[in-house]
Amino acid sequence: GGIITQTPKFLIGQEGQKLTLKCQQNFNHDTMYWYRQDSGKGLRLIYYSITENDLQKGDLSEGYDASREKKSSFSLTVTSAQKNEMAVFLCASSIWGAETLYFGSGTRLTVL
Amino acid sequence: AQSVTQPDARVTVSEGASLQLRCKYSYSGTPYLFWYVQYPRQGLQLLLKYYSGDPVVQGVNGFEAEFIKSNSSFHLRKASVHWSDSAVYFCAVSSSNMGYKLTFGTGTSLLVDP
Repeated sequence: GGIITQTPKFLIGQEGQKLTLKCQQNFNHDTMYWYRQDSGKGLRLIYYSITENDLQKGDLSEGYDASREKKSSFSLTVTSAQKNEMAVFLCASSIWGAETLYFGSGTRLTVL
Repeated sequence: AQSVTQPDARVTVSEGASLQLRCKYSYSGTPYLFWYVQYPRQGLQLLLKYYSGDPVVQGVNGFEAEFIKSNSSFHLRKASVHWSDSAVYFCAVSSSNMGYKLTFGTGTSLLVDP
């Protein structure tokens, strides 16, 4: 089996600050994803990456940047933190295609 | 475009009772359907998935779901729930036409009274 590790578990920042969330997976999966989870709104896709050095925008990419530095890691940057984007950010990975997603336990973002 | 509707935000049932969580979807192309569960302070875990074939699919912990194409539904069922089933359940759909990107419903929070 494998695991997805998200760091940090809790992230507190100031409004306007640039903040980075990190994700590592040891499944050797090709595809990685960043989702944002807001209460009552389900999960919304921010960015995904089909393979190393690839980036694809999801439905909620504005205000975020992403980086797939290597196959096992995928970072998400909040370019200017806003109070209305306090949420849980979930990283996931999968073999490319309609396969099962494996999720990390999330990073909870608080903006002061 | 594809979308998923879970009409019930919260469901409460007694331990030992049967359960149905509703999910309706729209899609283009060939649909792939999933149910995920999220326990408190954890990520999502796959319960079951449907790609093709037998429309009733079995998942973990006694859960099953039925793909009904004519009704665009993929409801989740369990014959007898346990208090440990209390969690948030998400229905999701992907399709070949959408590059296999997964679209999630808003989730149903299940509380099982012991």
